[in-house]
Amino acid sequence: AQKVTQAQTEISVVEKEDVTLDCVYETRDTTYYLFWYKQPPSGELVFLIRRNSFDEQNEISGRYSWNFQKSTSSFNFTITASQVVDSAVYFCALSEAPGNQFYFGTGTSLTVIP
Amino acid sequence: DAGITQSPRHKVTETGTPVTLRCHQTENHRYMYWYRQDPGHGLRLIHYSYGVKDTDKGEVSDGYSVSRSKTEDFLLTLESATSSQTSVYFCAISVHTSGGALDTGELFFGEGSRLTVL
Repeated sequence: AQKVTQAQTEISVVEKEDVTLDCVYETRDTTYYLFWYKQPPSGELVFLIRRNSFDEQNEISGRYSWNFQKSTSSFNFTITASQVVDSAVYFCALSEAPGNQFYFGTGTSLTVIP
Repeated sequence: DAGITQSPRHKVTETGTPVTLRCHQTENHRYMYWYRQDPGHGLRLIHYSYGVKDTDKGEVSDGYSVSRSKTEDFLLTLESATSSQTSVYFCAISVHTSGGALDTGELFFGEGSRLTVL
């Protein structure tokens, strides 16, 4: 079974619009970790955020915010006032402790149109 | 910069030939991983290592082997490359902030190795 589901394959928005990338995960562990990564057109994978299962506080970093809800097993990522530089593929990932295996979603390709 | 170097960065080879990809890290991290990235599949774990000579299989390990004789090097070998192994391969390390056994650190990735099997 897919442990991390990113149902949105591709999203296009016009610059300055807000956009939310969905991530739904599945685990039986009570302790786990969730991550978001960005892969710009240049191809490198950039770590954005890590969230522990016991910390449901939402987080904001500049134009980025993350909404973690254990009740719906979701860890959604919102970009406010999107910019062309936000165009990338975004991956959500889950790691179950112990074991340190990471499970990635299939990614959401975001295109921000100027 | 997590100090991860992958080599080669690009390789074209023929079906049936052996291929070895190398991942080198400079910061003595315990956990290392090999992933492959394919359209529509995201990143899939091939093998990972939790110490010297300690490795385990991931979800797509068939056709691949790994070795870790030194902390800093994690080698991925395709014994007999097939066209289905054409992919971009990423090495990663897990950086643990607290060092505890149950602490999962974030992954930091190398720049990727693009392999084409003709």
